[in-house]
Amino acid sequence: RKEVEQDPGPFNVPEGATVAFNCTYSNSASQSFFWYRQDCRKEPKLLMSVYSSGNEDGRFTAQLNRASQYISLLIRDSKLSDSATYLCVAYNFNKFYFGSGTKLNVKP
Amino acid sequence: GAVVSQHPSWVICKSGTSVKIECRSLDFQATTMFWYRQFPKQSLMLMATSNEGSKATYEQGVEKDKFLINHASLTLSTLTVTSAHPEDSSFYICSARGPGLAGRWETQYFGPGTRLLVL
Repeated sequence: RKEVEQDPGPFNVPEGATVAFNCTYSNSASQSFFWYRQDCRKEPKLLMSVYSSGNEDGRFTAQLNRASQYISLLIRDSKLSDSATYLCVAYNFNKFYFGSGTKLNVKP
Repeated sequence: GAVVSQHPSWVICKSGTSVKIECRSLDFQATTMFWYRQFPKQSLMLMATSNEGSKATYEQGVEKDKFLINHASLTLSTLTVTSAHPEDSSFYICSARGPGLAGRWETQYFGPGTRLLVL
C-alpha cells in the first residue's frame, strides 16, 4: 500500500468553480503534511502546510483529519492559472512521501 | 526566502559520459537534501537522501555506484550520473529541507530541475 494516495483526476472544472481534492495517508505517525503544486515540466512548489486546525490562504483552504487519516485541499473561485498537478505530501521519520498527484484543468 | 538553485538546467551528452548536477540552498543551510527523478507523466521518485558530512541513503533499486552523491557543505549537494545511458534520460530534481512557512513545520524546497538527455 502506498504511503500517500490521491485520485489522479483529471478534474475538469469551469472558471469560478469550487473544487476539492482529498488525499489519504497510511502511517498514523506522520508528523506533518503539505500540498505542493507542480506545473507541467517544472519543479513542485510549496503551496501550503496543512495543520490540524485547518488553514486558509486566500482562495485555498487545507484541512487535516488525523482520525480518518486524510488531507483535503479546497480551491474556491478557480482561475485558469490554477491548472496544474497538486501533490499531497506526508512527512515522517526524515522522509517526505509524495502522492502521485491530482491533475486539475480549469477551463474558460 | 528558501530558494534552491540547480545547475545545469539542461544537459545533452553522449552515452558513456558522466554528468554532474549541483544543488544549492541559497539563503538557508540544509543538512538534508533529496534527489528525485521524474519520467514524463509519472510521479516524483525519490532516489536518495543526502546528509551533510555523511554518506547518502539510497532508495531500493537505485544504484549507488551509478548515482554518486556528495553533500560536502551545508549549502551544496551534487549528483553525478556515471557512464550515463539513454535510459538515464530524465528530469532530475533536488530539494532541500528548510524552514517552514510562518516559522512552523520544516518542509522541503525544490530546485528548478535538470533535464538530462543521453544520446
